[in-house]
Amino acid sequence: QKEVEQNSGPLSVPEGAIASLNCTYSDRGSQSFFWYRQYSGKSPELIMFIYSNGDKEDGRFTAQLNKASQYVSLLIGDSQPSDSATYLCAVKEYGNKLVFGAGTILRVKS
Amino acid sequence: DTAVSQTPKYLVTQMGNDKSIKCEQNLGHDTMYWYKQDSKKFLKIMFSYNNKELIINETVPNRFSPKSPDKAHLNLHINSLELGDSAVYFCASSQDYVEGKTQYFGPGTRLLVL
Repeated sequence: QKEVEQNSGPLSVPEGAIASLNCTYSDRGSQSFFWYRQYSGKSPELIMFIYSNGDKEDGRFTAQLNKASQYVSLLIGDSQPSDSATYLCAVKEYGNKLVFGAGTILRVKS
Repeated sequence: DTAVSQTPKYLVTQMGNDKSIKCEQNLGHDTMYWYKQDSKKFLKIMFSYNNKELIINETVPNRFSPKSPDKAHLNLHINSLELGDSAVYFCASSQDYVEGKTQYFGPGTRLLVL
């Protein structure tokens, strides 16, 4: 089974800064990568996903893939206190089956 | 309207009991999932059904038995509950089983086994 690793954090950034979250994956053949956000006591929600063919930008969120080093990053620009949450990285194993990392706690301080 | 709903939201029970968690989605999706999230926030898939057919069956004790009476419902029955079963159980659904389809999660059921 594929493995996905994330630094548990917490990662603390000041309001307005860029938050950079990373995730490494074990299977070099992985093609699809997902970022979910989970607020404390709530359910995960999809922020964005990217395929192995390129990076993706959506508003303040940018997902980048480094295939050579087998890691995927999520950049959050102009971080806001409301971005404080746990960010879960997931990699597709087959079909729509996802393997999740343990998540990184992000704290944005005002 | 809640897209993916689960009942109950909280479940506190004794070791050895049998309990069920229910999940319903009103999104018209074909595929549903059960995940377990432990105390370290590690989210792991347990089962997935597509149009009432089991398509993912991870290495889960056979005390856990999913049942899908129709494609809008996926229930989870747990026999002989153990302390280690304490976790948050999330139901999710997606349009189908094709790669990249967004999975929408329910609010979770917090199970505590005493």
